[in-house]
Amino acid sequence: KNQVEQSPQSLIILEGKNCTLQCNYTVSPFSNLRWYKQDTGRGPVSLTIMTFSENTKSNGRYTATLDADTKQSSLHITASQLSDSASYICVAHGSGNTGKLIFGQGTTLQVKP
Amino acid sequence: EAEVAQSPRYKITEKSQAVAFWCDPISGHATLYWYRQILGQGPELLVQFQDESVVDDSQLPKDRFSAERLKGVDSTLKIQPAELGDSAMYLCASSLFPTSGSYEQYFGPGTRLTVT
Repeated sequence: KNQVEQSPQSLIILEGKNCTLQCNYTVSPFSNLRWYKQDTGRGPVSLTIMTFSENTKSNGRYTATLDADTKQSSLHITASQLSDSASYICVAHGSGNTGKLIFGQGTTLQVKP
Repeated sequence: EAEVAQSPRYKITEKSQAVAFWCDPISGHATLYWYRQILGQGPELLVQFQDESVVDDSQLPKDRFSAERLKGVDSTLKIQPAELGDSAMYLCASSLFPTSGSYEQYFGPGTRLTVT
């Protein structure tokens, strides 16, 4: 069964600290892995997209890694800011023209001053 | 910057009533998606359109849900009759092409539905 599991479910950190969110997926065949940021009451916004041949991709203070062999991905946030408080969703994309996006349940991050 | 538009942003309805949501994708985007997101969970695909044709509606509860994209541009999602379990965020997304390869999906702000 195609699945995406994220951990932790929620996380609280102090402003300025770093954190890492984890994602395990069992989607096959696999095309790419995406991370989205979703602010409360808003739609998801894309942070990174990585194909199976990419190991790492950065977007400002966000760095995503992908290990296609172990089917694991991580999202590292550096020097967190209050505006980073949001839900972070890991999404695995299956292959094919109509391949579905399989969404994880998200990690809720709260950055405190 | 072009955005996916959705309306209304919030909707409260009583169970057994009909409700409709509207989505206007980014101009030129051929593919349009409707998702349902229950609080604390990731979005679940309800229906995918390629232009005016339905590509995937395998998870759409067809006894009460319907979706159309008559001219291949904007789209309407309808629920009739609404049930308490339909309370969720309904998200619309669009992409230039079907989500093959690394084509980006852009999401709208969503419609928060509460069924009482």
